[in-house]
Amino acid sequence: AQKVTQAQTEISVVEKEDVTLDCVYETRDTTYYLFWYKQPPSGELVFLIRRNSFDEQNEISGRYSWNFQKSTSSFNFTITASQVVDSAVYFCALSSYSSASKIIFGSGTRLSIRP
Amino acid sequence: DGGITQSPKYLFRKEGQNVTLSCEQNLNHDAMYWYRQDPGQGLRLIYYSQIVNDFQKGDIAEGYSVSREKKESFPLTVTSAQKNPTAFYLCASSLYILEQPQHFGDGTRLSIL
Repeated sequence: AQKVTQAQTEISVVEKEDVTLDCVYETRDTTYYLFWYKQPPSGELVFLIRRNSFDEQNEISGRYSWNFQKSTSSFNFTITASQVVDSAVYFCALSSYSSASKIIFGSGTRLSIRP
Repeated sequence: DGGITQSPKYLFRKEGQNVTLSCEQNLNHDAMYWYRQDPGQGLRLIYYSQIVNDFQKGDIAEGYSVSREKKESFPLTVTSAQKNPTAFYLCASSLYILEQPQHFGDGTRLSIL
């Protein structure tokens, strides 16, 4: 079965703190893709990153970084020096051949950055 | 600019009425999707379409219907059979390749009068 778990329902930190959003996934496929999306208060989902199962290199994009570890089936997302504009709901998602091009979303983590 | 347009942004429905949510994309994507999001919850797939004139049920298709007569359009009808339609509806599209990310519209918020 395909599943994505985001155990942190809500996180609140003070601006400039670092924060990590956890994502644990389940799949029996050897080829799969992991995604992170951001949903700001306006509602639309914004694509942040995609990772395939054969690439475990960590990625950094400005203040954002992602840690993919197949050994623990995790794909965690860290925001360094958080800003108020980072406040949003963040979704982790999984797709694989078993899901027939459907993306399985986690339940999301609501991140609030306090000034 | 290419993107996905959902309309209307807010929609109100009376009991027993069918309503149709519009979704148009100019990204030349093959696949299109409809999701429902309830407060504090993730996205649940209603219907998806991989090519024109073809669509499949998602996880919560009961009470909904769709059509895909044109590549760029994928309207969703919320029928009177859907007993709890109040939710935020998101339309998405992607290239018909498994690893491609989905692009989302701004959403339609449906409420019952």
